[in-house]
Amino acid sequence: GENVEQHPSTLSVQEGDSAVIKCTYSDSASNYFPWYKQELGKGPQLIIDIRSNVGEKKDQRIAVTLNKTAKHFSLHITETQPEDSAVYFCAASSPGGSYIPTFGRGTSLIVHP
Amino acid sequence: DVKVTQSSRYLVKRTGEKVFLECVQDMDHENMFWYRQDPGLGLRLIYFSYDVKMKEKGDIPEGYSVSREKKERFSLILESASTNQTSMYLCATLRDRPYFGPGTRLTVL
Repeated sequence: GENVEQHPSTLSVQEGDSAVIKCTYSDSASNYFPWYKQELGKGPQLIIDIRSNVGEKKDQRIAVTLNKTAKHFSLHITETQPEDSAVYFCAASSPGGSYIPTFGRGTSLIVHP
Repeated sequence: DVKVTQSSRYLVKRTGEKVFLECVQDMDHENMFWYRQDPGLGLRLIYFSYDVKMKEKGDIPEGYSVSREKKERFSLILESASTNQTSMYLCATLRDRPYFGPGTRLTVL
């Protein structure tokens, strides 16, 4: 089955800096890669996603890049703000896995004012 | 907007009790899931269901069962709760991508 590795497990940055979270996946058939943000006491919320026919996607301060050859994808947050502090999860899903997502272990992002 | 609700945000139970966690969705999605979330382990799939009365084991089904009698409701059952089942439980539906509920933090004493 699919295996998703996520790094780093914790990331501490100063307000205004950029943050990058990286994930690798094992199943070359995976074709959908969502990123979730989970704030304290809440369920994960989708923040951005990318499909395998696209190399990069951007939404304001958030961007995701995908390298299918290397089987890795990354989340980039620019001009970080304290409200970006949360746990971020990457995931991958494939038709062979019935589109059931496999999640990374999460990255705890802390943005210091 | 898809809405996924879970019956309790916080729950405290004793070892050996039978525990029911309820999940309800309002968007007529066929696929529903139960995950448990633990620090450093991410989200692990317990059970999922493709349709009413259908269920499939996920990666960690031991100690759990599920029930899907109606399309909108998916229940997770701990037949005899144990302390190692203390965790955050997340329900989700799947159409184009997963939609999560707010989670239930279960403590088993």
